[in-house]
Parts: sequence; structure tokens; C-alpha cells
Amino acid sequence: ETGVTQSPTHLIKTRGQQVTLRCSSQSGHNTVSWYQQALGQGPQFIFQYYREEENGRGNFPPRFSGLQFPNYSSELNVNALELDDSALYLCASSLGADLNTEAFFGQGTRLTVV
Amino acid sequence: GQNIDQPTEMTATEGAIVQINCTYQTSGFNGLFWYQQHAGEAPTFLSYNVLDGLEEKGRFSSFLSRSKGYSYLLLKELQMKDSASYLCAVRDSSGGSYIPTFGRGTSLIVHP
Repeated sequence: ETGVTQSPTHLIKTRGQQVTLRCSSQSGHNTVSWYQQALGQGPQFIFQYYREEENGRGNFPPRFSGLQFPNYSSELNVNALELDDSALYLCASSLGADLNTEAFFGQGTRLTVV
Repeated sequence: GQNIDQPTEMTATEGAIVQINCTYQTSGFNGLFWYQQHAGEAPTFLSYNVLDGLEEKGRFSSFLSRSKGYSYLLLKELQMKDSASYLCAVRDSSGGSYIPTFGRGTSLIVHP
């Protein structure tokens, strides 16, 4: 139990639709990162938020966007869904974007695009 | 960018010792993490190395050589529950942010 919760746990969407995934960080953590994990692959970094501002972005198109709220919960939004967006989406929270701290992962949201 | 390489799959016997290697190339090394991920579950933190040497934590140890761009995770007294994917992640501080990049993971199968 990491204290990081994600919702929903599973989701099926149609190609072209939009989706919002949510993450509640561990208490006291001000940094959240989002990852996409395809089957049999390692997590791929999407972006990171530190104190409500984007603090780094991976190689994902602009249709992947995010928000971090004052309570440090976070959303990942994906527009114009494509079949290849089907994956496990993980969020990870940590204390401080530049400290030597571990990140705690949520259980993930399994997104299927049909 | 970074290039992280680890074996795709390894098998070992219950009670044995296994070493999972990870090699990396990065321009601004700022730490290496090992995570364990059981099928269908979230990754869980195992270890963190930023200086050269061995870090021991119970049955698990992690080693780092920054000059060689090399790390390994050592698992002793293997148990069936250790069957999982082991992810090596390297944090890069170039560009001003501290983002860990994950390898593809090593699937460890422990058999009786």
C-alpha cells in the first residue's frame, strides 16, 4: 500500500474519444509523474508536475496533457485517442522534484482503446 | 537521452542467488533505481544508488559503477514470490529536471 490511488482502474474507450485519468498522491508529496506502460515494456515517462507546474516532459505528443491541483492530486488527459494509446497508465508521487527520493506508484489505470 | 539495457528474461531455482544486470548511457547521471513489478501490479521501490558501491537491504543488494555505466541487483535465498519483473531506472539531471527513465525490465522466473 503506497498511499497513491488512481481512478478508474480499468477503462475502455473508442478511437478518437478523450479520456481523463486521476491520481491522488501520497500525503505530503508535492511531485507527481505520469508514465505509460505498454505490455512487456518498462514505464515510459510522459510528464512530471511539481507544485502545480509542469517540470519535465517526455516524448509524447501535445494531445497528452496534465494538471496538478493545490492538494497535489493530478489528472492526465488524452485527446483524440489512438489504438496505440492502449496501455497501463501509472502515476507516481514523491517529495520534491530534485531530491534523492523514491517515487511511490499507484496501481495504475488500464486503458483499452478500441 | 538515455539508453538502458537489461536482460529480457532470467530463470533461477528457489533458494539460489541471481544477479540481474543493467547497463546505461546518460549525460547527467543522478541516481539509479531498481523496482519490482508483479504482473498486473504497480512497481514497488527496491533500491537507490547514486554513489559507487554496494547497498544491501535484506535479501536484496544493488551495486553501482558510474564509470562503467553498470549496475546489478542481487537477490539471495530466492523465493517463489520473487518471480516478477525487475525494472532498472536511471535519473538524468541534464536539462534541469530529474526524470527517471526505465529500462524494459527483466522478467525473473523462480522455479522449485
